[in-house]
Amino acid sequence: GENVEQHPSTLSVQEGDSAVIKCTYSDSASNYFPWYKQELGKGPQLIIDIRSNVGEKKDQRIAVTLNKTAKHFSLHITETQPEDSAVYFCAASSGNTPLVFGKGTRLSVIA
Amino acid sequence: DAGVIQSPRHEVTEMGQEVTLRCKPISGHNSLFWYRQTMMRGLELLIYFNNNVPIDDSGMPEDRFSAKMPNASFSTLKIQPSEPRDSAVYFCASSMTGPSYEQYFGPGTRLTVT
Repeated sequence: GENVEQHPSTLSVQEGDSAVIKCTYSDSASNYFPWYKQELGKGPQLIIDIRSNVGEKKDQRIAVTLNKTAKHFSLHITETQPEDSAVYFCAASSGNTPLVFGKGTRLSVIA
Repeated sequence: DAGVIQSPRHEVTEMGQEVTLRCKPISGHNSLFWYRQTMMRGLELLIYFNNNVPIDDSGMPEDRFSAKMPNASFSTLKIQPSEPRDSAVYFCASSMTGPSYEQYFGPGTRLTVT
């Protein structure tokens, strides 16, 4: 089955700097890669996703890149703000198989 | 839209007691998922339903766990008897088009078994 590895587990950046979180997956059939943000005491919230037919997707300060050959995808957050502090999860799935989540990255943006 | 609704938000119970967690998915969504989140194991899928039918329950840890979805707007996750190692946050999520599409999570139920 699918296995998703996520790095780093914790990340601290200065406000205004960029943050990058990386994930690798094992199943070459995976074709859907979402990213979730989880704030303290809340459920994960989908912030961006990408499918295997594109290599990059951007939404304001957030972007995701996908390298299918290397089986890895990354989340990029530019101009970080304190409200970006949260735990971020990547996930992967193929066809009708359930999402498999990474272990999460705790991002701290220091003002 | 009210989003996915879960109840209770917090549950404290003694070992051996029965626990029932409840979920109301987003109206119109046809897939429902139960997850468990712990520090050690992260987010684990327990079971998911498609059109009220259980599709994959391979993540249910033991026979003490059971889940039902009697209709499109309600699901329960039951633990009987509960054990301290069941302490975790349990999330329900729903999706409009299936397991590999956008899932919307509820606020979770924090379960503590003493």
